Amino acid sequence: EIVLTQSPGTLSLSPGERATLSCRASQTVSTDFLAWYQQNAGQAPRLLIYGGSNRATGIPDRFSGSGSGTDFTLTISRLEPEDFAVYYCQQYDNSSGFTFGQGTKLEIK
Amino acid sequence: EVRLVQSGAEVKKPGESLKISCKASGYKFTSYWITWVRQMPGKGLEWMGIIYPGDSETRYSPFFQGHITISADKSITTAYLQWSSLKTSDTAMYYCARGDRFRFDYWGQGMLVAVSS
Repeated sequence: EIVLTQSPGTLSLSPGERATLSCRASQTVSTDFLAWYQQNAGQAPRLLIYGGSNRATGIPDRFSGSGSGTDFTLTISRLEPEDFAVYYCQQYDNSSGFTFGQGTKLEIK
Repeated sequence: EVRLVQSGAEVKKPGESLKISCKASGYKFTSYWITWVRQMPGKGLEWMGIIYPGDSETRYSPFFQGHITISADKSITTAYLQWSSLKTSDTAMYYCARGDRFRFDYWGQGMLVAVSS
């Protein structure tokens, strides 16, 4: 099973700053199978990025995804108040299905 | 508009059975996967399993295999997650989501299952 490790566990930033969230896989992941989600408190997750770098419908262009192999990054260029949430990466592999990272909490500094 | 509407919260006792539902609308139900995701209190997301309603092909996470059953009824565009014998550790929020080419693009609102003696 591929394990996804996200870092940092918690990121404290101010509105307007740039956020960089990391997702590292224990084995190579196809970029096509790497996605990112945002979860606000008390709400269902929302798809942000799929295929490693493609924004989902309605996602602002301040969100971007990059990376390949075992290292992937979600970048939020200029933080808005509604961006403070928990972020998860997710991958698919044929042998064991889907897995999520443990999440990064983005909090207001 | 794509919508996934989940059934209401449940309070059950250990050893009881439970079947929860996810009603889909706004798209062709038989052309997309439906997945189930667990979120224990204060914890992260855990993938449980997935079903393709078109042919009922089902895959389970190795962690949940044998403890849950996922099914779907095409006639009423509804997917289900069921347990035959609940444990207190099954207390969690459960989400269904639509699967489209290895990502989950629409999510239900979530459903709380509480298991306590």
